[in-house]
Amino acid sequence: EVQLVESGGGVVRPGGSLTLSCAASGFTFDDYGMTWVRQAPGKGLEWVSGINWNGGRIGYADSVKGRFTISRDNAKNSLYLQMNSLRAEDTALYYCATVEEVEGWLDPWGQGTLVTVSS
Amino acid sequence: DIVMTQTPLSLPVTLGQPASISCRSSQSLVHSDGNTYLSWLQQRPGQPPRLLIYKISNRFSGVPDRFSGSGAGTDFTLKISRVEAEDVGVYYCLQATQFPPSFTFGPGTKVDIK
Repeated sequence: EVQLVESGGGVVRPGGSLTLSCAASGFTFDDYGMTWVRQAPGKGLEWVSGINWNGGRIGYADSVKGRFTISRDNAKNSLYLQMNSLRAEDTALYYCATVEEVEGWLDPWGQGTLVTVSS
Repeated sequence: DIVMTQTPLSLPVTLGQPASISCRSSQSLVHSDGNTYLSWLQQRPGQPPRLLIYKISNRFSGVPDRFSGSGAGTDFTLKISRVEAEDVGVYYCLQATQFPPSFTFGPGTKVDIK
C-alpha cells in the first residue's frame, strides 16, 4: 500500500524551531519529487516547498524562504522540513505529497501533522 | 509568480445536476515541453486533498467519469456532470508548470448541496 506518514508537529513558541518528517512506503521513493503543502485552520491549501527526485532542485514559497529548509534521504525513504524562526502565521496542518514530475501531479498525500505556533 | 484564481468560491448545487468551476492563471501554463501542468484536486471535509484531474483533462486512477477537465493556456474548467452527495468538499486547481521548483494553488471552490 502506498503511504505517506507525517510526524514532528506540535506546539512551539514564536521564534522557535521544529523539524517535520514524512515517511514513505509502498513505492519507489527516489522515482518521485516531493513537496510540503500547508493548510491554516479554515483556510485553503498553500504550497510551502518542493524538492525533485534527487534533491538537485529545490523551491520555497516566499512566505517561508530563508526560514524553512527541505531535504530528503532516499536511503531512508524520508522527506524533511526544518522550520526555524516560526511565526504565528505558520500555524497549520502540514501535508507531504508525492510529485510525479513527468505528469506534474501530486498524489498521494499524507494525513498531515499539525504545527501550532503560540506563546 | 503565477497567481491562480477560481470562480465561484462557493457553489451550492442540486443533487443530480451539473456543476462547473473555473480556474484562471495570471500567465500561460504551457510548459516549454508543450504540456500544460494544470491539475484539479478535491478535499472532502476532514480529509487530505485527492487528485482528480492532471494535465488539464486526464482523470486520475479511480476518479469517476462524471468529473472532467478542459481548457487551455490560462483558462480551465472542472465539470461534474451529475453531482452526488460524496462530491461535497472544496475543489482546488493547481499549476505545476513551474515545478521544479514551485507550485501554485487556486483559492478553492466550496461545493455543497442546496
